[in-house]
Amino acid sequence: AQKVTQAQTEISVVEKEDVTLDCVYETRDTTYYLFWYKQPPSGELVFLIRRNSFDEQNEISGRYSWNFQKSTSSFNFTITASQVVDSAVYFCALSPFDNYGQNFVFGPGTRLSVLP
Amino acid sequence: EAGVTQSPTHLIKTRGQQATLRCSPISGHTSVYWYQQALGLGLQFLLWYDEGEERNRGNFPPRFSGRQFPNYSSELNVNALELEDSALYLCASSSRENSNQPQHFGDGTRLSIL
Repeated sequence: AQKVTQAQTEISVVEKEDVTLDCVYETRDTTYYLFWYKQPPSGELVFLIRRNSFDEQNEISGRYSWNFQKSTSSFNFTITASQVVDSAVYFCALSPFDNYGQNFVFGPGTRLSVLP
Repeated sequence: EAGVTQSPTHLIKTRGQQATLRCSPISGHTSVYWYQQALGLGLQFLLWYDEGEERNRGNFPPRFSGRQFPNYSSELNVNALELEDSALYLCASSSRENSNQPQHFGDGTRLSIL
């Protein structure tokens, strides 16, 4: 069975602090995709990143960075120098490599509050 | 390119009524997925429609149903509404040609049951 765990239900930080959101997944598939989505208070899901299972190279995009470690089944997300606009619920998700028609398995989400 | 569009934005119903939610996928996408996000819970997969057929459904009762039209837009119908159906309903679309691309999500319909 596939499962995504985000152990941190809520995190509060002060602006400019760095924050890491944890994601641990379970799957029997040898190839798969991992995703991070952001859900601001308005409700829509915003795609942040997709990572395939055979590419463990870490990725950085501006203030965002992702650390994928297959050995520990983790795909953690770090925001550097957080801003108030980063306040949102962040979801980690897992899908089979050929994800056409396959529903994503989402984690429960982590609510991040960045205080001014 | 227009994204996935959902209507209405908000819907208020009472117990026992029926609700209809609508979704228009990105042009060229043939698959539509429905998810429920109840308060305090994560995203739960509801239904997957492709080429007009229901291909898969999550662990929801039969009063959750829907259909997909020839233009690939979709409706989600919820009958005999219950208080716990109050949630944000998200629609996503994808295409077979780009099966390894992330699903694109709409802005959601917030359903409130009074």
